[in-house]
Amino acid sequence: SYVLTQPPSVSVAPGKTARISCGGNNIGSKAVHWYQQKPGQAPVLVIWHDSDRPSGIPDRLSGSNSGDTATLTISRVEAGDEADYYCQVWDSSSDHYVFGTGTKVTVL
Amino acid sequence: EVQLIESGGVVVQPGESLRLSCAASGFTFDGYAMHWVRQAPGKGLEWVALITWDGDPTYYADSVKGRFTISRDNGKDSLYLLMNSLRVGDTALYYCVKDMGAVAGNPFDSWGQGTLVSVST
Repeated sequence: SYVLTQPPSVSVAPGKTARISCGGNNIGSKAVHWYQQKPGQAPVLVIWHDSDRPSGIPDRLSGSNSGDTATLTISRVEAGDEADYYCQVWDSSSDHYVFGTGTKVTVL
Repeated sequence: EVQLIESGGVVVQPGESLRLSCAASGFTFDGYAMHWVRQAPGKGLEWVALITWDGDPTYYADSVKGRFTISRDNGKDSLYLLMNSLRVGDTALYYCVKDMGAVAGNPFDSWGQGTLVSVST
């Protein structure tokens, strides 16, 4: 089955840039979506189809996808960005959705 | 405004069955695929099942295939998950989730608040 690997944690100072990787075999050939989940809340879609932002998501969040790695970038990090982030793909070879292992972003 | 309200989560014993429900509002329910996603306590997200806009086809995670059945009633704007042969490992918060499109392959653009299923002896 298809596996998506994320770093367990990323720490970043306010105002700096956080980059969260999502590794998968030839993930660049798939559409990657990203979700943000704050403590005690349901996940929220923040990036879809690699780099599109739903309405209401600030342009400080951006995405890219190439080769074996997709990346979620959070620029000018704020305290409110502290959350767990999950990548996701649809694996058409198995007809399964797959979530990444999740990354906890801590704002120092 | 999209609203997804789950119900049916309780404490059950291993081997028992349970049906979860999700009442949807704020969008044209029969125009979208729907999902169940679960999250075990302190763990990550796990996709459970998908049903397309008209109920066929359906897709399941390997961990639940043959035990769980996803269904929908478009006349009642409702989504269901019938869970049989429950295991301790099925303990989780179960989310009802709206797809961005009508068939498989799209992202998930709205989530409920979840209903807690606990399988314990």
